[in-house]
Amino acid sequence: QKEVEQDPGPLSVPEGAIVSLNCTYSNSAFQYFMWYRQYSRKGPELLMYTYSSGNKEDGRFTAQVDKSSKYISLFIRDSQPSDSATYLCALKGGSQGNLIFGKGTKLSVKP
Amino acid sequence: DTAVSQTPKYLVTQMGNDKSIKCEQNLGHDTMYWYKQDSKKFLKIMFSYNNKELIINETVPNRFSPKSPDKAHLNLHINSLELGDSAVYFCASSPWTSGSNEQFFGPGTRLTVL
Repeated sequence: QKEVEQDPGPLSVPEGAIVSLNCTYSNSAFQYFMWYRQYSRKGPELLMYTYSSGNKEDGRFTAQVDKSSKYISLFIRDSQPSDSATYLCALKGGSQGNLIFGKGTKLSVKP
Repeated sequence: DTAVSQTPKYLVTQMGNDKSIKCEQNLGHDTMYWYKQDSKKFLKIMFSYNNKELIINETVPNRFSPKSPDKAHLNLHINSLELGDSAVYFCASSPWTSGSNEQFFGPGTRLTVL
């Protein structure tokens, strides 16, 4: 089993839809959970960051972490065409650890 | 102002050649990284440098060698290029010496080995 599993999609939704993106992981040592967004032909950029379990909201974006299930989610409300990108989850154990990335989910929001 | 820049943006070369990719960051960060993103978009760390010292060296072939002339630069040199080296290479930097959750990525260098 890979350390981080993420459905690569592609996922296509109409504008205004609620989008749910997910990752599962196997290593219970992960403590830091991040979502990066990568536009086509660009480098990834940090979107959301959560430490340990719980929810975090930033505008239309909500990140959830369920450590007991080893499951993390990113919700996008009122999705916009500008949200069309690949979303990568990234996990880290301790402060010194590597970032372990999921394969990314390609999202397309249709006007 | 570009925070993390890489040159070249595209690199097409023949098998067996030696090539270098340059990376510069103007953020004053302590740590810089090199990642490889393969055709399946899987992003994997190759190296990181903290204040000119290698602190992470993943199991990459020794044909790949990072070189850091100063804190703002981390170049990637590749010897004897192989077909399987074709990928997008990303440079990144982060602000804390102990590692950071936020890494700032460059635009990537798309390497094609023929």
